[in-house]
Amino acid sequence: NAGVTQTPKFQVLKTGQSMTLQCAQDMNHEYMSWYRQDPGMGLRLIHYSVGAGITDQGEVPNGYNVSRSTTEDFPLRLLSAAPSQTSVYFCASSPHLGTQYFGPGTRLLVL
Amino acid sequence: GQQLNQSPQSMFIQEGEDVSMNCTSSSIFNTWLWYKQDPGEGPVLLIALYKAGELTSNGRLTAQFGITRKDSFLNISASIPSDVGIYFCAGANNNDMRFGAGTRLTVKP
Repeated sequence: NAGVTQTPKFQVLKTGQSMTLQCAQDMNHEYMSWYRQDPGMGLRLIHYSVGAGITDQGEVPNGYNVSRSTTEDFPLRLLSAAPSQTSVYFCASSPHLGTQYFGPGTRLLVL
Repeated sequence: GQQLNQSPQSMFIQEGEDVSMNCTSSSIFNTWLWYKQDPGEGPVLLIALYKAGELTSNGRLTAQFGITRKDSFLNISASIPSDVGIYFCAGANNNDMRFGAGTRLTVKP
């Protein structure tokens, strides 16, 4: 099993550009989530999904959209990138909340 | 929102020493978890606690779920150089999870 994979590993965007961060898992987990990690602030939950077709907002959802059309994939979309969205983004999956498996992260720089 | 206060922010210890870090919250959590993150990688789960008062060990690591459900601690015994990293506590309720800001551990050989 590949576990949780994320692409791209690095990305530089200009303010106002849009992009999609990809996340896939091959463990047949129902629960998937997206976090951002900023220095000194730990990880903050952006959006999560408890199964295909179901998504919900986390602690910091503004500026991000998600969809869950399949169990395997959970893409995160930035509609209009802002410098405040410069961060490291982690996707995670789990059979239930708690024992989450994290991907390697996507480092995003918005200029 | 629910905030987790994790302390200390950083620790510099000698190899072989024991380490203790803790996490407190103003809100109750149903699950407490401890993760470790190495540079350039995602967090890896160390210990999960599901019941108030629970004390769980994983090798040299021991963690407890506080009776009030508002706190948890993690102990590492006989530290080794590969213990270096950032340790995060996390509290979970239903489908929401909150993380502490992390404890950066440095182990001197």
